[in-house]
Amino acid sequence: AQSVTQPDIHITVSEGASLELRCNYSYGATPYLFWYVQSPGQGLQLLLKYFSGDTLVQGIKGFEAEFKRSQSSFNLRKPSVHWSDAAEYFCAVMYNNNDMRFGAGTRLTVKP
Amino acid sequence: DGGITQSPKYLFRKEGQNVTLSCEQNLNHDAMYWYRQDPGQGLRLIYYSQIVNDFQKGDIAEGYSVSREKKESFPLTVTSAQKNPTAFYLCASRLAGASDTQYFGPGTRLTVL
Repeated sequence: AQSVTQPDIHITVSEGASLELRCNYSYGATPYLFWYVQSPGQGLQLLLKYFSGDTLVQGIKGFEAEFKRSQSSFNLRKPSVHWSDAAEYFCAVMYNNNDMRFGAGTRLTVKP
Repeated sequence: DGGITQSPKYLFRKEGQNVTLSCEQNLNHDAMYWYRQDPGQGLRLIYYSQIVNDFQKGDIAEGYSVSREKKESFPLTVTSAQKNPTAFYLCASRLAGASDTQYFGPGTRLTVL
């Protein structure tokens, strides 16, 4: 069965430090890959997406993600975290036209 | 402004009552979705609709019903048959192409007392 795994439930980083959030998926072919961010009590906002082509994709708010086919991973990175980045982050995978699976989310806390 | 609206933001109901959550979009999107979000479980698909007057069950459709009479609207009814209805409900929409992004509304928090 298709699945999306975000191994880290909660991550704490200091402001200005680098960030990497992990995402792994299970699927035979290359799916469409997404990262969303959610502030408390709000909807999800798209950070970036990968469909094909360059495996390093740039998103909004200074985020980037790299698709690694050999590792079935799509990790999200940011070189320097800001306090406003504190939120919950969801990795999502679109397996066919309407089957979108979400990871359980990673909550990011930013220390001053 | 184009977007997805969900109303109300907060909803309280007594146990045993049906309740309908509203979702409207003016993005001219073909497909619409309802998700349920519980802490630590990510998002789970309840129902989706690709065209007007047609909809499909998702992973957790039991105790829920939907309609799609208009392209812009996809209301979700939480019935008394849903055993644990208290949750955060998110509506989403997208164009019909396989590579089209799914956009989300602001959500409705339903609390059943």
